[in-house]
Amino acid sequence: DSGVTQTPKHLITATGQRVTLRCSPRSGDLSVYWYQQSLDQGLQFLIQYYNGEERAKGNILERFSAQQFPDLHSELNLSSLELGDSALYFCASSHPREHGDTEAFFGQGTRLTVV
Amino acid sequence: AQTVTQSQPEMSVQEAETVTLSCTYDTSESDYYLFWYKQPPSRQMILVIRQEAYKQQNATENRFSVNFQKAAKSFSLKISDSQLGDAAMYFCAYRSARETSGSRLTFGEGTQLTVNP
Repeated sequence: DSGVTQTPKHLITATGQRVTLRCSPRSGDLSVYWYQQSLDQGLQFLIQYYNGEERAKGNILERFSAQQFPDLHSELNLSSLELGDSALYFCASSHPREHGDTEAFFGQGTRLTVV
Repeated sequence: AQTVTQSQPEMSVQEAETVTLSCTYDTSESDYYLFWYKQPPSRQMILVIRQEAYKQQNATENRFSVNFQKAAKSFSLKISDSQLGDAAMYFCAYRSARETSGSRLTFGEGTQLTVNP
């Protein structure tokens, strides 16, 4: 168990719909990352939050948004869903230390299927 | 931008034998981290081993060790005494050390490892 919790584990929804994926980082971790894993794109970084602030953006579509709350949990919102958004969405967390950051620990992922 | 390349989409090894997975990366930075992650059929991403670029000594974790060649930008993973439970997709990943507030991981394409009994 990595200590990172993602809910739900599986999600099936229709095209055009909106879903919210939730992530609870490891206790004490300040950084939360979202990644998308799909067959054609591999593992892609979407966005990072650090202590409530957006820190970095990757290949995140405008239809997608995220936030990190004061208790450090994070949510990834996906809207106007398309078939191509079907993927495994991972959340990871890490903690700063003197030299660099701790390694990122991953949640078990949310499998999103858009039909 | 950094890139990570794993040139072996698939590898296989006999149980109890040794296998080496290759990874090369491209970066202009001098301080960074490299990782190998394992993704078994459960899809969980599990950290296998970590290497700091400023350390010359190669990292080892039990049966897993790396060959880190900084000048060549090469970072291979050696699995000794392979076990059936080692069968998984293995990802090489790069992370910059520029910020203490964390940094994204850049992943390679992955190598699917099969362990034959």
